[in-house]
Amino acid sequence: QSVLTQPPSVSGAPGQRVTISCTGSSSNIGAGYDVNWYQQLPGTAPKLLIYGNNNRPSGVPDRFSGSKSGTSASLAITGLQAEDEADYYCQSYDSSLRVGVFGGGTKLAVL
Amino acid sequence: QVQLVQSGAEVKKPGASVKVSCKTSGYTFSNYGISWVRQAPGQGLEWMGWISGYNGYTSYTQKFQGRVTLTTDTSTGTAYMELRSLRSDDTAVYYCARDPGVTTIVWRLDPWGQGTLVTVSS
Repeated sequence: QSVLTQPPSVSGAPGQRVTISCTGSSSNIGAGYDVNWYQQLPGTAPKLLIYGNNNRPSGVPDRFSGSKSGTSASLAITGLQAEDEADYYCQSYDSSLRVGVFGGGTKLAVL
Repeated sequence: QVQLVQSGAEVKKPGASVKVSCKTSGYTFSNYGISWVRQAPGQGLEWMGWISGYNGYTSYTQKFQGRVTLTTDTSTGTAYMELRSLRSDDTAVYYCARDPGVTTIVWRLDPWGQGTLVTVSS
């Protein structure tokens, strides 16, 4: 059971907008720690997609955006493309556990 | 470009040890740390520990404390992860990833190595 809770799956048609939620608690997201998001394409290593809640590394399309409020964070993907099919993980730091923690991952299906 | 290249797949028997290497290039090794994360088959990501590329200071998650050792070779820019007393539930892909923290962990991983599958089976 992950410290950060994500929906197991989401789906959308090409061109649509989807959001993936990440719910934490007062010892991680709610304590003000940054949230990062990673994209893991099938059979590959994770890749940093969003850092510091809402910043995109160079090369990441602006179709991807992040937000944070209270004890939760969200990843939004607009203009959905087939190549976006992947697993997405949120990640933060937990002050009670004193370790970086990940969400359980969300599988995105592009219909 | 920044690259982390890991050693190849391993098959080990229960009770054995495994040592995975992570060869870095494209940046100054001592200006960053290296974290290790594992992913069991069909499962999510799990942080194991972190090592500073500057002074070798380490931090391990409680779950792996005493069973994992992280080291570096600064002359070659290579990080190593050794896991001892292997069990079947240690079967996983092990990743190294660069962390911006030099004296403290920043908890942001970019980029990642390609992963090393470690299979523990009798």
